[in-house]
Amino acid sequence: EVQLVESGGGLVQPGRSLRLSCAASGFTFDDYAMHWVRQAPGKGLEWVSGISWNSGSLVYADSVKGRFTISRDNAKNSLYLQMNSLRAEDTALYYCAKDIAIAATGLLDYWGQGTLVTVSS
Amino acid sequence: QSVLTQPPSASGTPGQRVTISCSGSSSNIGSNTVSWYQQLSGTAPKLLIYSNNQRPSGVPDRFSGSKSGTSASLAISGLQSEDEADYYCAAWDDSLNGVVFGGGTKLTVL
Repeated sequence: EVQLVESGGGLVQPGRSLRLSCAASGFTFDDYAMHWVRQAPGKGLEWVSGISWNSGSLVYADSVKGRFTISRDNAKNSLYLQMNSLRAEDTALYYCAKDIAIAATGLLDYWGQGTLVTVSS
Repeated sequence: QSVLTQPPSASGTPGQRVTISCSGSSSNIGSNTVSWYQQLSGTAPKLLIYSNNQRPSGVPDRFSGSKSGTSASLAISGLQSEDEADYYCAAWDDSLNGVVFGGGTKLTVL
């Protein structure tokens, strides 16, 4: 059974940093690209970033480019999102999601339950 | 403002057929496949339709998708109360080099 479990969310002040993690199990992690997608309270889905199977291709939404960094550790079956210079508008539930392919296609067949990030002073 | 445009709401009575539209452009729907996600209240999104009209195993055949040009649609036939959810379309955007979602459609079963 595919499982994606996010962690690392919490309350953080504007301008500070936070690192999210996603532990994957139930599939061969290094055979697939992975993504982060967020959802602000009461709002729709917003794609944040994606990473290919071997970290050779990293893609970001314009809203986070230069502030967020996606990475993965295939030996640990883990996906990460380093979030710097956080803003109030980054407040959201952050989902980890599995792609159907080794390269980022954006077709997301499994999602975690999310970890909540709140940016506030 | 979402790149893909969906109606904010839709509704129907049990047993009815409902369609949800998704409008994009040549850089997303016009050149890539469309997927649809269902999000029940308080839960994570679930893949409902991929590659425009394919259903993952376990998704009832009451759900169907189609695409024409720069638009796509999701149809739900034999509407059931458990279909009440938010529905999102998505596609890769070649200009933005990333995934774009619609703003979501809240489906109410009357």
